[in-house]
Amino acid sequence: EVQLVESGGGLVQPGGSLRLSCAASGFIFVTHGMSWVRLAPGKGLEWVSDISRGGGTAYYADSVKGRFTISRDNAQSSLYLQMDSLRDEDAAVYYCARLAPGISKFFDNWGQGTLVTVSS
Amino acid sequence: EIVMTQSPATLSVSPGEGATLSCRASQSINTKLAWYQQKPGHPPRLLIYSASTRATGVPVRFSGSGSATEFTLTISSLQSEDFAVYYCQQYNDWPPLTFGGGTKVEI
Repeated sequence: EVQLVESGGGLVQPGGSLRLSCAASGFIFVTHGMSWVRLAPGKGLEWVSDISRGGGTAYYADSVKGRFTISRDNAQSSLYLQMDSLRDEDAAVYYCARLAPGISKFFDNWGQGTLVTVSS
Repeated sequence: EIVMTQSPATLSVSPGEGATLSCRASQSINTKLAWYQQKPGHPPRLLIYSASTRATGVPVRFSGSGSATEFTLTISSLQSEDFAVYYCQQYNDWPPLTFGGGTKVEI
């Protein structure tokens, strides 16, 4: 059974930093691209970032580019999101999501999410 | 960026009735469209990909259709567990991957 377990969320002041982690199990981690998707209060789903299977290619939403960094450790089957210079509008539940096999970028499995609150 | 527009924002349906949800893309996305279901406090669940292929374990009462810019998710005979928010997502042209704003299906 595929499992994605996020951690690292919490309360942070504007301008602060957080590092989210996602522990994957139940599948061969290196065979899938991975992604972060967020759901802000009262809003819809927003793709944040994704990373290729080997970790050599990453993409970001314009809203986080230059502030967030996605990475992965295939030996540890883990995905990360380093979030710097956090803003009020970054407050959301952040989901770790597995990309479908191949080149089709839809999300076939999701974690339960971790809550990020940005407030002074 | 491809903009995805879902309608209606809210759909009120009685159990046992059918529901039709729409998703429109700002430019052609071929059939590179997925649908997700999300219930409060839960992560999204993949329902449909490639516009019309049901994901593993998805009941047959869920069906997807469409191509290019117009897509539909149909739920025949709604069950109590189907009341949720539904999102479409395009993956034809990225980055960014983009979602529609969602349709809430309520009783």
